[in-house]
This record gives sequence, C-alpha cells and structure tokens, in this order.
Amino acid sequence: DTEVTQTPKHLVMGMTNKKSLKCEQHMGHRAMYWYKQKAKKPPELMFVYSYEKLSINESVPSRFSPECPNSSLLNLHLHALQPEDSALYLCASSQVDRDYSPLHFGNGTRLTVT
Amino acid sequence: DQQVKQNSPSLSVQEGRISILNCDYTNSMFDYFLWYKKYPAEGPTFLISISSIKDKNEDGRFTVFLNKSAKHLSLHIVPSQPGDSAVYFCAALLSGTYKYIFGTGTRLKVLA
Repeated sequence: DTEVTQTPKHLVMGMTNKKSLKCEQHMGHRAMYWYKQKAKKPPELMFVYSYEKLSINESVPSRFSPECPNSSLLNLHLHALQPEDSALYLCASSQVDRDYSPLHFGNGTRLTVT
Repeated sequence: DQQVKQNSPSLSVQEGRISILNCDYTNSMFDYFLWYKKYPAEGPTFLISISSIKDKNEDGRFTVFLNKSAKHLSLHIVPSQPGDSAVYFCAALLSGTYKYIFGTGTRLKVLA
C-alpha cells in the first residue's frame, strides 16, 4: 500500500471543464510535489510546496493551479486544459528537516483531456 | 536539455544473473542520486540512493556505484529475480533545492 494517496485514479475531462486532483499523505512530510509524466518520458517537476508555501513553479501554464490547504493535503486544480495535457499526474512528498530525503510517490491520476 | 540520461531504453537478463543499469548526468551541482522502480499503474518506488561524496552504496541485492569524474552512475542487481522486471529511473537532486530531475528510464525484463 502506498503512503501517498491520490484521487481519482482516472479522470476524463473536456477542455471547458474544471476539475481537481487530490493528494494526501500522513507521513509528516512537509514538502509536497506535483510531477507530470507522459508516455515513455521521465516524470517532469511542476510544483513544490514546502511548509505549505509554494517554493517552486516550473513555469507551468496557469490552467494548472496548485493548492496546499494543510501539511497533509495537496490539490491540483485544472481548468481549460488542452488535449496535450493528457498525462499521468504524480504527487510525491518528502521530509525537509535533513540534507536529503527521497520522494515518496502516490500511484498517480491518469488524466485524459478530450 | 536532458540533464540526466539513461541511454538504454531496455535490458533483458536471465534470472539469477546480474542486471546493470546505467545513468549519465551533465550537471555538477547534483548532491544526491537515487534509483526508483516503477511497475505499470503504480507510482515510482524508491530503491536506493548515493551521496555525491560517496562512490558506492549497497542495500541487499542492490548496489549503486558513482563515478563523479565520468558523471556516471550504475545500479547493480544481484541476483536478478523475475519480480525485478519494471522500469527503472535514475534521479538527481539539485544542490540546495527540492528539484529532483529524472532520467528517461530503462525497462528491465528478467527472464525465468
């Protein structure tokens, strides 16, 4: 069982829809991440939150809007997406009070934009 | 510009033999290197890591070697088992940041 839970597992949405991806962890990690992975490509970093504050935005289009309501939850709000945004969206978390901590990933949300 | 590269998209190995997965990087500002395993329909799972000041780290059947002068790391799996069949990603942590950069992955198939 993964300790990072992502919902939904699959999502199909039209280009005019608004939807949200959710991520939850209860490991006490204070850094949370969104990655995007397309087929046969590596995971690409989108956003990082540290202590519930946005610390990295990798020039992601504004149709993706992250939110970190508390230390356990991370959301990704989606609006007016394009078909090329179809991908696997991975949430991850890590500790922050040490030099290094590996990322713990959820199983992802498979998003299809029609 | 791919800073972390895995030049072999796939690898097949007989059960019981050694699997060697390779990774090259271009940025000297990476502090830590990690290996992840990914099964279909699951997220990547952390396997093993190595600090940039070390040259070897071992954990059970998994050993990671780092050659800083060549900007190259490798993951050795001995003995290989059918359950090891998965996609393996190397990743690197940029110094002083939370940026983990992933390689393109190598699909390992262990034949029974």
